[in-house]
Amino acid sequence: DTEVTQTPKHLVMGMTNKKSLKCEQHMGHRAMYWYKQKAKKPPELMFVYSYEKLSINESVPSRFSPECPNSSLLNLHLHALQPEDSALYLCASSRDRGNSPLHFGNGTRLTVT
Amino acid sequence: GENVEQHPSTLSVQEGDSAVIKCTYSDSASNYFPWYKQELGKRPQLIIDIRSNVGEKKDQRIAVTLNKTAKHFSLHITETQPEDSAVYFCAASLNNAGNMLTFGGGTRLMVKP
Repeated sequence: DTEVTQTPKHLVMGMTNKKSLKCEQHMGHRAMYWYKQKAKKPPELMFVYSYEKLSINESVPSRFSPECPNSSLLNLHLHALQPEDSALYLCASSRDRGNSPLHFGNGTRLTVT
Repeated sequence: GENVEQHPSTLSVQEGDSAVIKCTYSDSASNYFPWYKQELGKRPQLIIDIRSNVGEKKDQRIAVTLNKTAKHFSLHITETQPEDSAVYFCAASLNNAGNMLTFGGGTRLMVKP
């Protein structure tokens, strides 16, 4: 069982589509993260939300748009993606941003055609 | 910014042997060093972490050592088992960077029965 739930598990989308990735945690964590992971590479940080406010955007293209509707939910809206955006997208949460352990979800495997 | 180097990139051991993975970091202000295990097709999971006020930490067959002077830290797995086969990532974080982990490149550990 994972404490961070991501949906969908797999997603195939065309370059003109609009889709959203969803992430949910009920551990009371106040920091949530989006990471992108390519095959055989470490996770790369995309966004950090702290207390539902965006605190870090690691120079991510605007075709990726994060949203944090409340302290338990994190979304990633996708629009006009490129094939090179195909990757595993991991959501994570932590108690706060004070070097507390990250809890990762199982990820969404995204393929852009 | 922080830079984390991890070696080796692949490691093959016989079941029952020990495995050691080493990481070096560049920023002497880094003070939190977690290790994540990622099995094929699964999420990264924290296996052990250490903070800069501690030189060694152990949890059953897993131990981590930290040398702040040399800016390197290592993961030691004793009595390896086939289920230890996975990719292991080290990471480093600055306390005032708000839990922004810099990951090493990963080590693929294969434990042969």
